[in-house]
Amino acid sequence: KNEVEQSPQNLTAQEGEFITINCSYSVGISALHWLQQHPGGGIVSLFMLSSGKKKHGRLIATINIQEKHSSLHITASHPRDSAVYICAPGWWGKLQFGAGTQVVVTP
Amino acid sequence: GAVVSQHPSRVICKSGTSVKIECRSLDFQATTMFWYRQFPKQSLMLMATSNEGSKATYEQGVEKDKFLINHASLTLSTLTVTSAHPEDSSFYICSARVRLAGASTDTQYFGPGTRLTVL
Repeated sequence: KNEVEQSPQNLTAQEGEFITINCSYSVGISALHWLQQHPGGGIVSLFMLSSGKKKHGRLIATINIQEKHSSLHITASHPRDSAVYICAPGWWGKLQFGAGTQVVVTP
Repeated sequence: GAVVSQHPSRVICKSGTSVKIECRSLDFQATTMFWYRQFPKQSLMLMATSNEGSKATYEQGVEKDKFLINHASLTLSTLTVTSAHPEDSSFYICSARVRLAGASTDTQYFGPGTRLTVL
């Protein structure tokens, strides 16, 4: 059984749509990361959060520690948001990585 | 802007040669750096944890003599893949535990990654 479950695995949205990616985990954590991986492989750190909610531009991440659940929202999605989004909960360095959600945003 | 950089972003080498990958924490001191590896279609896997001035701690199954990690300063860690073979071809990612200016807690940031291809 995976300790980190992301849903959906794949998502296609039209430009401007609101996107939500969910992450459920069973491991104990000090924090949870959301990462963005582009087709060429490059990784971008989006958020590191241990409680509540964080917002950066059109991206919003929330976490519920009691329910062991986190969500990543993309508002007003754009084709440049097309990437794989990875949820990674855990302790410093020793993170469990989700399989990722492939997001495609069409014009 | 980016907090962690890696160099090179891509490297192609011949089998049997050694390759060095640099991971830099830009303008911030990194008490700890982590090295991950990602094979195609797979998730990232932690290889080792390195603290400045001390020996790296390797995860089970990672050969310390093959993947040499040096963390000589608070802003630089290097991973050297020695005597590389085609099976070492992978995407190598570092991350750093940093304390940003004005922050009360540490944050972990990921580098963009280095794609290694061994011919």
